[in-house]
Amino acid sequence: EPEVTQTPSHQVTQMGQEVILRCVPISNHLYFYWYRQILGQKVEFLVSFYNNEISEKSEIFDDQFSVERPDGSNFTLKIRSTKLEDSAMYFCASGWYEQYFGPGTRLTVT
Amino acid sequence: SQQGEEDPQALSIQEGENATMNCSYKTSINNLQWYRQNSGRGLVHLILIRSNEREKHSGRLRVTLDTSKKSSSLLITASRAADTASYFCATDATGGTSYGKLTFGQGTILTVHP
Repeated sequence: EPEVTQTPSHQVTQMGQEVILRCVPISNHLYFYWYRQILGQKVEFLVSFYNNEISEKSEIFDDQFSVERPDGSNFTLKIRSTKLEDSAMYFCASGWYEQYFGPGTRLTVT
Repeated sequence: SQQGEEDPQALSIQEGENATMNCSYKTSINNLQWYRQNSGRGLVHLILIRSNEREKHSGRLRVTLDTSKKSSSLLITASRAADTASYFCATDATGGTSYGKLTFGQGTILTVHP
């Protein structure tokens, strides 16, 4: 059964560093998403992406964040200069009505 | 206001019993989805119910939707220890610029004791 994959599973970085989180969505899906979940809190929408451009983004998704689909399979989330409060689980999802989530990348900013 | 609020926050039952979780939301929706999350893991899609549907079944899961009350319920019948997880409802609200922006609730932590 096709699934969304994410790498790395855990990323530790220092404040101010750039990180790139990678996702491989399900191959025939057209919509891609990033969500995050701060420990103990709700899953929050960050951004949706369709036809090689951002469809919608939340207030969280400020200029420090960017997304890219560099090739036909990968979908990346870049945080340019990480802050302590960026520490969270980041989930990639793909789909249309039903969204299928990857296992997540735990980002720890120290 | 919060979109997608589940209750109870925690539910503890014995194996074989039924578990019912409720979700309320504030805005009009295209659909409502239920997800399961095992501790520290990803979200697993369980079931989607569209705004024009009232009830949907999938295996041991039964979901209802009452758009007049802006509420949904998830019933897990004959629960098993393996059903222990957090359960979230997520709404896809109308009026968004694209399909798919899901708004999640805080979730219900279900513990099923063997």
